[in-house]
Amino acid sequence: AQSVTQLDSQVPVFEEAPVELRCNYSSSVSVYLFWYVQYPNQGLQLLLKYLSGSTLVESINGFEAEFNKSQTSFHLRKPSVHISDTAEYFCAVSTSYNTDKLIFGTGTRLQVFP
Amino acid sequence: ETGVTQTPRHLVMGMTNKKSLKCEQHLGHNAMYWYKQSAKKPLELMFVYNFKEQTENNSVPSRFSPECPNSSHLFLHLHTLQPEDSALYLCASSNQQSYEQYFGPGTRLTVT
Repeated sequence: AQSVTQLDSQVPVFEEAPVELRCNYSSSVSVYLFWYVQYPNQGLQLLLKYLSGSTLVESINGFEAEFNKSQTSFHLRKPSVHISDTAEYFCAVSTSYNTDKLIFGTGTRLQVFP
Repeated sequence: ETGVTQTPRHLVMGMTNKKSLKCEQHLGHNAMYWYKQSAKKPLELMFVYNFKEQTENNSVPSRFSPECPNSSHLFLHLHTLQPEDSALYLCASSNQQSYEQYFGPGTRLTVT
């Protein structure tokens, strides 16, 4: 069975500072990895995904994540955050034999202060 | 309307009531999902439908009854719920070739 751990429930940071949201996973088979973002009173939106190929993936709004197989991690980073990045961020994993089943972490609340 | 829509957005019901949540996707996808989102807990997958057939029931109590009449519509029928069933219920859809799931805004359910 797969599992996802997001150790930080909350990450406070000042605007324009860098941020890293941590995600570790556990799986005995190959995985697909995802980061979703949830703004207040909205559903989840896909931020970025790793399926195969380059281990560094990027989103259109400046976030990036790196798949590290040896450390079973998929941390999310942004070099300079904006107030508008304040949201809940969820890491998720699925496998090639069951792409329908997304296993989510408990989420990290990113709070950006001016 | 585009994307995934859910109605109602908010619902308050007593434990003896019967209500239904509705989800509609306008993306041409062939898979639809129900998730439960509770505070401080990971999203819980409840049901999966592929081409209108249920392919996953994640040990959900029978007081939750899904219905998928076609690939664009998904319902969750609720009856004799418990206060611990209060949560945000999210619907999602996907095309199996893309792996990405598209989520609706959710229905905030409160059971009194």
